Amino acid sequence: EAQVTQNPRYLITVTGKKLTVTCSQNMNHEYMSWYRQDPGLGLRQIYYSMNVEVTDKGDVPEGYKVSRKEKRNFPLILESPSPNQTSLYFCASSLGQGNSYNEQFFGPGTRLTVL
Amino acid sequence: AQTVTQSQPEMSVQEAETVTLSCTYDTSESDYYLFWYKQPPSRQMILVIRQEAYKQQNATENRFSVNFQKAAKSFSLKISDSQLGDAAMYFCAYRSAKRPGNQFYFGTGTSLTVIP
Repeated sequence: EAQVTQNPRYLITVTGKKLTVTCSQNMNHEYMSWYRQDPGLGLRQIYYSMNVEVTDKGDVPEGYKVSRKEKRNFPLILESPSPNQTSLYFCASSLGQGNSYNEQFFGPGTRLTVL
Repeated sequence: AQTVTQSQPEMSVQEAETVTLSCTYDTSESDYYLFWYKQPPSRQMILVIRQEAYKQQNATENRFSVNFQKAAKSFSLKISDSQLGDAAMYFCAYRSAKRPGNQFYFGTGTSLTVIP
């Protein structure tokens, strides 16, 4: 089954404790992205990757890191989480440039709470 | 950055009736794509319908259709014969056809309630 998986689905942590949210897709997509969803703000892009070893900042990258060492995986790293990073996080993937719609396929979301 | 505006935070509709959700966007580009995503209580993001800017014909997917007005930069979603399962948050999204990175810009969402 074609899908984007994220782990963990729920996470409660404390300020300053490094964490990683994993994301994996099995559709051989070139593009992968991370979004955060906050009430009244919609989804905002954190980072994206156009291919292996190619990553770039989205609209709200502060406090986050990513890496793309393999095509299928795109982990999101919070080196020192803070309460303002409490949010619902989505990983998404899509085909590369040259494909028309390039709609994004989303993972199930990770609910992160930072105390 | 592109701006996508959904001016209706909440909407409600009687079961079997029709409802229209509004979306406007701000862009100087001529080539782009527009999408409506549905987010039910499960939080999963589900693609409902999509539209290419250069296509004048409005997209339709079963009970879902759009009214795309390029000059007005408007992209509304019409849900006909509303069903209880249509209750969800709906997000409008914009993607440039030219910019790298496949970045999507989302509106703030419209929460749709379906009344039995």
